[in-house]
Formats: sequence, structure tokens, C-alpha cells
Amino acid sequence: EIVLTQSPATLSLSPGERATLSCRASQSVSSYLVWYQQKPGQAPRLLIYDASNRATGIPARFSGSGSGTDFTLTISSLEPEDFAVYYCQQRSNWPVTFGGGTKVEIK
Amino acid sequence: EVQLAESGGGLVQPGGSLRLSCAASGFTFRSYWMSWVRQAPGKGLEWVANIKKDGNEKYYVDSVKGRFTVSRDNAKNSLYLQMSSLRAEDTAVYYCARDIGVAGGGTFDYWGQGILVTVSS
Repeated sequence: EIVLTQSPATLSLSPGERATLSCRASQSVSSYLVWYQQKPGQAPRLLIYDASNRATGIPARFSGSGSGTDFTLTISSLEPEDFAVYYCQQRSNWPVTFGGGTKVEIK
Repeated sequence: EVQLAESGGGLVQPGGSLRLSCAASGFTFRSYWMSWVRQAPGKGLEWVANIKKDGNEKYYVDSVKGRFTVSRDNAKNSLYLQMSSLRAEDTAVYYCARDIGVAGGGTFDYWGQGILVTVSS
């Protein structure tokens, strides 16, 4: 099973700032890395698939990069609605696995 | 509009059984692999099981093999999860999720609102 480690666990930022979230895999997942956003009491929302492809309706301020074992989700300028928990997920090997999440909170 | 709605959750004693349902609408259900993903209270996400479009292939995470069974009824646009021999560690919100890829590649583009299953005496 592939283990995904997300860092930092919590990111305290102000609206308008840039957020950089990291996800590291225990072995190469090629580009088969997905990012989700989850707000309290809500289901996860697909943001980025295959490392760098924005899902339908996702604003351009969200971008993903990386390949192999190291990946980054960047939010270029935080909007109030972006404060949430972000999860990465690999789909290179079954079972698909998720990282532990990064909480982006208002500073 | 794509919609997924889970039902059937609740409180069950350890060792008991429960059947979750997921009603799908707004898309051609029979054309998609479907999955169940769970989230223990205050914890992260864990994929549980998935099922092929025609129901002929099913896969499970090791921790539920032999205890959970995923199924679907394409005529009713419904997905199911039969859970038995339930343990405290199965306590979670269970989500049904649609796989974006036609081959069941493991990218989930639509999720239900989730249903809570609590295993406790």
C-alpha cells in the first residue's frame, strides 16, 4: 500500500496570500495524483486530477504540479471560501490511498 | 445535475449488520464504476470498495474483505454496501462516489453527502 504524507498539517494564512501544500508518496505514483477539498460537514470536492489537471469548474487560482513522489497544490491567492482541509490521493496502485490532509486556516 | 444520496446508516452493535444504499440520478449510472469511501470521525478518508459498471468486478480494502459486500442495481440506479460483523473501527461517515474514468481508475468526481454509521454497544 502506498503511503501519502501531507505537509504541513496546518497552514495559517491570510486571504490574498499564496498557499503551497505538499504531498509525498512512499513510492512513485507517476502522475496519478489527485487533490480534493473538504469543508466541515461536506463531502470532498475534486480539485485536481492526474497531478495538474483542474476539474470542471475549479478556479484557475488552484494549480497542481509534480510527478513521481513529490507533488504540490498551490492556491495563488486565497479567497475566503478556500479555507478548508485538502487531501491528496494516489490512484497508481490499488487500493487507492489518501494523505492525512492539510488544514488551511485563517491566520 | 449529478446527485448521489446515501441512506441506511445508523447505530448498530458490534457484530451486527447494516445495508447502505446510494441512489444516483442525473447521469447514466450503468456507465460508471462506483466506490464507497469512508471517513472516521475527525479523521481522513479511506477507500472501502468499488464495483465495475456491470457489477461483474468488485474490489475491497483488506480491512473489510469477507465482511462487506458491494453491489449495484443498474435498473434502479442504485449502489449498495452490505456490512456485516461490524466493529467499532468501522464507525465512520460513508460516502458513495462516482469514478470519473470509464475504466475505474480511481478519481472520484461526484460524492454523496455521506451517511453516518456508528458501531457501539
